Amino acid sequence: KQEVTQIPAALSVPEGENLVLNCSFTDSAIYNLQWFRQDPGKGLTSLLLIQSSQREQTSGRLNASLDKSSGRSTLYIAASQPGDSATYLCAVSGAGGTSYGKLTFGQGTILTVHP
Amino acid sequence: NAGVTQTPKFRILKIGQSMTLQCAQDMNHNYMYWYRQDPGMGLKLIYYSVGAGITDKGEVPNGYNVSRSTTEDFPLRLELAAPSQTSVYFCASSYYPDGWSEQYFGPGTRLTVT
Repeated sequence: KQEVTQIPAALSVPEGENLVLNCSFTDSAIYNLQWFRQDPGKGLTSLLLIQSSQREQTSGRLNASLDKSSGRSTLYIAASQPGDSATYLCAVSGAGGTSYGKLTFGQGTILTVHP
Repeated sequence: NAGVTQTPKFRILKIGQSMTLQCAQDMNHNYMYWYRQDPGMGLKLIYYSVGAGITDKGEVPNGYNVSRSTTEDFPLRLELAAPSQTSVYFCASSYYPDGWSEQYFGPGTRLTVT
């Protein structure tokens, strides 16, 4: 059974700092890995999707890497801003004929960026 | 293009009552999913569907039922509500479950059972 773990559970940083969020998964047979952002009381917004054959994806100040063999992904946020404060969720989609895109989620990292 | 929509946004149920959470998508996606999120936790899969008329259980299906009569709609039925079903429910969809397809999520339904 796939298990996804995110470290740290919470992170508080001053504005302008570069930071790294970590995600690990136990089964390397994945189609892709997605990073989501969730604001309090809101739904999930997809930030980045990395296919299993890719090593990284970038969008603006965000960079996500994937090391499938070791079961790890990192989300790098450059020059953090107070507006980046949210919960960040990592999820993997299992490979194989019966996976049907079902996502297994980590428990999230709560990020607070203070001015 | 509204994406994935869910109704209602909030609901309070008494123990033993039943209700249906509505989910619709206008992206012509074949694959649809229901997840629940308990406080401080990630999301867990309840049920999923690979097309109209085809549904299957996820990780936590007990106490729920689904149907998929059209491509657009995927309602989730709660029978005999219990306090353990207090959660936030998210519906999601994707075009095809391969490495290229991301899942799109609705805004969620916050359900309290008292």
